[in-house]
Amino acid sequence: GIQVEQSPPDLILQEGANSTLRCNFSDSVNNLQWFHQNPWGQLINLFYIPSGTKQNGRLSATTVATERYSLLYISSSQTTDSGVYFCAVANYGGATNKLIFGTGTLLAVQP
Amino acid sequence: DAGVTQSPTHLIKTRGQQVTLRCSPKSGHDTVSWYQQALGQGPQFIFQYYEEEERQRGNFPDRFSGHQFPNYSSELNVNALLLGDSALYLCASSLDRSAKNIQYFGAGTRLSVL
Repeated sequence: GIQVEQSPPDLILQEGANSTLRCNFSDSVNNLQWFHQNPWGQLINLFYIPSGTKQNGRLSATTVATERYSLLYISSSQTTDSGVYFCAVANYGGATNKLIFGTGTLLAVQP
Repeated sequence: DAGVTQSPTHLIKTRGQQVTLRCSPKSGHDTVSWYQQALGQGPQFIFQYYEEEERQRGNFPDRFSGHQFPNYSSELNVNALLLGDSALYLCASSLDRSAKNIQYFGAGTRLSVL
């Protein structure tokens, strides 16, 4: 099956700093989603981005499908950005779209 | 527009007992997937339900079973609970006929097995 690796595993930032999170995947995909898991466990959708570039406020993401990686950029970080960021992919050649998750990046933003 | 809702939020059981978790999908969605997230790990796919049938299953034993109702809501049942079943159980919904097939998650049920 598809393998998903995320880096770095942990990241500590001062408020206002920028960061880049990376997701590598081992096979072609037709679904790639970035999530932010808050301290209560809720997975919040950030981007659906199997290819290309998208921006939403201080967050942006780029997926280079041919090279099998995706990047999540966080600019001017805030303490509320703290939590775990997951990349998840799917390759539904058949009927289902089960997501395969990476191990996440734990981000701590300090005031 | 109601998102994905799960109940209960927390649950404590003892080994050997049985548990039922519930999920209502996002309005307009017809597909429900269940995931198990152990502490410090990413969610792992359990199974997916569409048209009241289990469509695909991950690497989980038969103690894990599910059901989907005509209104698209779903239940996850776990029999003969083990200590290792302690985890956050997440439900996700999506729309099958959508080209994007984006999954949206509920807040989860945190199960502790003592």
